[in-house]
Amino acid sequence: KQEVTQIPAALSVPEGENLVLNCSFTDSAIYNLQWFRQDPGKGLTSLLLIQSSQREQTSGRLNASLDKSSGRSTLYIAASQPGDSATYLCAVGNNDMRFGAGTRLTVKP
Amino acid sequence: GAVVSQHPSRVICKSGTSVKIECRSLDFQATTMFWYRQFPKKSLMLMATSNEGSKATYEQGVEKDKFLINHASLTLSTLTVTSAHPEDSSFYICSAREQLYNEQFFGPGTRLTVL
Repeated sequence: KQEVTQIPAALSVPEGENLVLNCSFTDSAIYNLQWFRQDPGKGLTSLLLIQSSQREQTSGRLNASLDKSSGRSTLYIAASQPGDSATYLCAVGNNDMRFGAGTRLTVKP
Repeated sequence: GAVVSQHPSRVICKSGTSVKIECRSLDFQATTMFWYRQFPKKSLMLMATSNEGSKATYEQGVEKDKFLINHASLTLSTLTVTSAHPEDSSFYICSAREQLYNEQFFGPGTRLTVL
């Protein structure tokens, strides 16, 4: 059974810092890996989708990498802003999707 | 991108009643949809896989007679919470799998409160 772990569980940084969120998974036989953002009481916002054949994806200040062999992905956020404060979820896709517990990010002005 | 809708977005009901939640893929067909449950400050837990034209596949520990899933068409899956109990209060999120790129698109969620 696929298990997804996210570290750290919570992170607080001052505005402007670059930061890295980590995701690890136990079964490397995946179709894709996806990073989501979730604001309190809201649904999911898809940030980046990496197919299993890809190594990374970039969108604006976000960059996600995937290393299937080691079962790891990172989400890099450059020049963080208070508006980036949210919970970030990593999900690994095969026939279904399995989610990590998330990293709760707070960016202080 | 593809859009998935859920209805209602929020529902409050009394214990013992049944509540139906709809999940629709608006601009693509989905033979497979998924239902997730999220408790406060917790992650999403897969409840079941909904397959068009056949029975849903439930995850271990999820009562199929309590959480009825019907995937009647390629664009609609419904989750019915039967004989609702306060413990069923949660955020329910559905997703639909777009087959060409094997990507899942998520609905906005339904917040269920059982009094």
